Amino acid sequence: AQTVTQSQPEMSVQEAETVTLSCTYDTSESDYYLFWYKQPPSRQMILVIRQEAYKQQNATENRFSVNFQKAAKSFSLKISDSQLGDAAMYFCAYRRRIGNEKLTFGTGTRLTIIP
Amino acid sequence: NAGVTQTPKFRVLKTGQSMTLLCAQDMNHEYMYWYRQDPGMGLRLIHYSVGEGTTAKGEVPDGYNVSRLKKQNFLLGLESAAPSQTSVYFCASTSGGGIRELFFGEGSRLTVL
Repeated sequence: AQTVTQSQPEMSVQEAETVTLSCTYDTSESDYYLFWYKQPPSRQMILVIRQEAYKQQNATENRFSVNFQKAAKSFSLKISDSQLGDAAMYFCAYRRRIGNEKLTFGTGTRLTIIP
Repeated sequence: NAGVTQTPKFRVLKTGQSMTLLCAQDMNHEYMYWYRQDPGMGLRLIHYSVGEGTTAKGEVPDGYNVSRLKKQNFLLGLESAAPSQTSVYFCASTSGGGIRELFFGEGSRLTVL
């Protein structure tokens, strides 16, 4: 079974600084998809960024980018120019390409932004 | 833009009582999911459905049942609630697998006393 590990339960960063959230996963598959979701205090889950494993280029969405290391099974999220609105729980998630109905989540990292 | 709507948003039950959570989506999505979120454990998949009339077990299905009689609705039932089922429940839907985004409801907080 696939597992997703987020080893940092909590992180904090000064406003306008850069922070990196880590995620590792375990899979025997070679083709899959990876996601980062954000859950602010409102509880609403929001997709931040996604990556296809067969693409070597790291995905970027405005201030959010990933460092995808396929051999190391690592998928970290970098947030640049952190803003107060970035405060949230961040979840890393994995989905297989074949038989890909299910999305498996990590345990989450709570990010605090220090003004 | 309703998206994914869960009812009720909050509920308190006594041990042994039953209840049903309703998830409705208006995006004509094929896939629907029920997750539970507990502190320190992230989101765990309870049951899911890949189309009308289909259901499948997820990671933590015990104590729950589901039905997908209509494409737009996915019901999660607790036949005999237990304190261990105290959690926040999220419904999600998507048009398919792969890289497609999951759209989530706002969550339903259930407390079992």
